[in-house]
Amino acid sequence: EDKVVQSPLSLVVHEGDTVTLNCSYEVTNFRSLLWYKQEKKAPTFLFMLTSSGIEKKSGRLSSILDKKELFSILNITATQTGDSAVYLCAVVTSGTYKYIFGTGTRLKVLA
Amino acid sequence: DTGVSQDPRHKITKRGQNVTFRCDPISEHNRLYWYRQTLGQGPEFLTYFQNEAQLEKSRLLSDRFSAERPKGSFSTLEIQRTEQGDSAMYLCASSRLQTGTDTQYFGPGTRLTVL
Repeated sequence: EDKVVQSPLSLVVHEGDTVTLNCSYEVTNFRSLLWYKQEKKAPTFLFMLTSSGIEKKSGRLSSILDKKELFSILNITATQTGDSAVYLCAVVTSGTYKYIFGTGTRLKVLA
Repeated sequence: DTGVSQDPRHKITKRGQNVTFRCDPISEHNRLYWYRQTLGQGPEFLTYFQNEAQLEKSRLLSDRFSAERPKGSFSTLEIQRTEQGDSAMYLCASSRLQTGTDTQYFGPGTRLTVL
């Protein structure tokens, strides 16, 4: 059965810290991996990754995919209280277009 | 607002009642998805449509659940004879069939509470 596992489940840091969120997957016919941010409402899109080793970057957020070791990481540098949210990882497999989500990592950034 | 919209945002119902939710996707998005999210969990796939055709349904979608997208635009999700276990956030998402992207855009969700 296809599976997406995120770690840690929750994390508390102070403003200015750097965090690394992990997403590992076991799926057949992997096509892409996506990261979303969810703040008590709809998930909002962050990144889509399809190729290994190519870093995607947006401001203080960056992400990279390793298709050999079957994982992705999401880095957030110089965290701010506005980064507090649940970060969701989703995998898409070929032949279908549904997302398989992990349980999410709940990040809390303290002032 | 040109994003995905859902109605209602909150629904409280008694066990055994029927409920219907509506989702309006981003215009020109031909794919529409329904997910269910319970507290502390990631969203779980329920079903998806390409235009008006329902192409895939999850095992989670019991006989009490039915979804439609009659004209390939908005969609409805109906739950008959609701149970307390149906309490969850129901998320709708849409995407455009386009090579090279799998990005789905989510609506604000409908939070269902079954008493």
